[in-house]
Amino acid sequence: GQQLNQSPQSMFIQEGEDVSMNCTSSSIFNTWLWYKQDPGEGPVLLIALYKAGELTSNGRLTAQFGITRKDSFLNISASIPSDVGIYFCAGQGAGGTSYGKLTFGQGTILTVHP
Amino acid sequence: DTEVTQTPKHLVMGMTNKKSLKCEQHMGHRAMYWYKQKAKKPPELMFVYSYEKLSINESVPSRFSPECPNSSLLNLHLHALQPEDSALYLCASSQVRTVGQPQHFGDGTRLSIL
Repeated sequence: GQQLNQSPQSMFIQEGEDVSMNCTSSSIFNTWLWYKQDPGEGPVLLIALYKAGELTSNGRLTAQFGITRKDSFLNISASIPSDVGIYFCAGQGAGGTSYGKLTFGQGTILTVHP
Repeated sequence: DTEVTQTPKHLVMGMTNKKSLKCEQHMGHRAMYWYKQKAKKPPELMFVYSYEKLSINESVPSRFSPECPNSSLLNLHLHALQPEDSALYLCASSQVRTVGQPQHFGDGTRLSIL
């Protein structure tokens, strides 16, 4: 089945630093999604990407859909303490048996020191 | 605030009990999902409903029984659960019309099996 490799698994950074995380896949995806999950809450959608090469920003967040459609990255600029949480990438393939199914990365645990 | 509402937030039950988890959304989404999530792991898909009909069952044990009474509601009926079923159960919803519509998650029900 499809697998996503998300890295790094965890990051410990100082407030104000920039953060970069990425996901790679052995299969092509038509959609890439980035979610953030805080303790005791469900994943919250940060950015959705629909086209190869697409670069999208949401405030201090920037994400890109790789040209090969097998990878995506998420950058966070000027990190702040509330950026702490687990970040998940997720890919969705084209119709057929993959319809409605997301393949998740293993997550990146982000810790920000004030 | 999430637009997908799950109740209860916490549930403790014995292995012989019968209980139900509830999920409600008013975004007009016609696809709804149940996920199981262990601590610091990505969500694992259990069931997908499309237009109130079960479209995907990821080989989930029969002690979990989903139900979609209408387009806004999704239930998960629980019976004779095992300790390993203790987890966060997440509900999500999305549009159906176009492949690649992102899923929006509720905050989950934290389930503990004694």
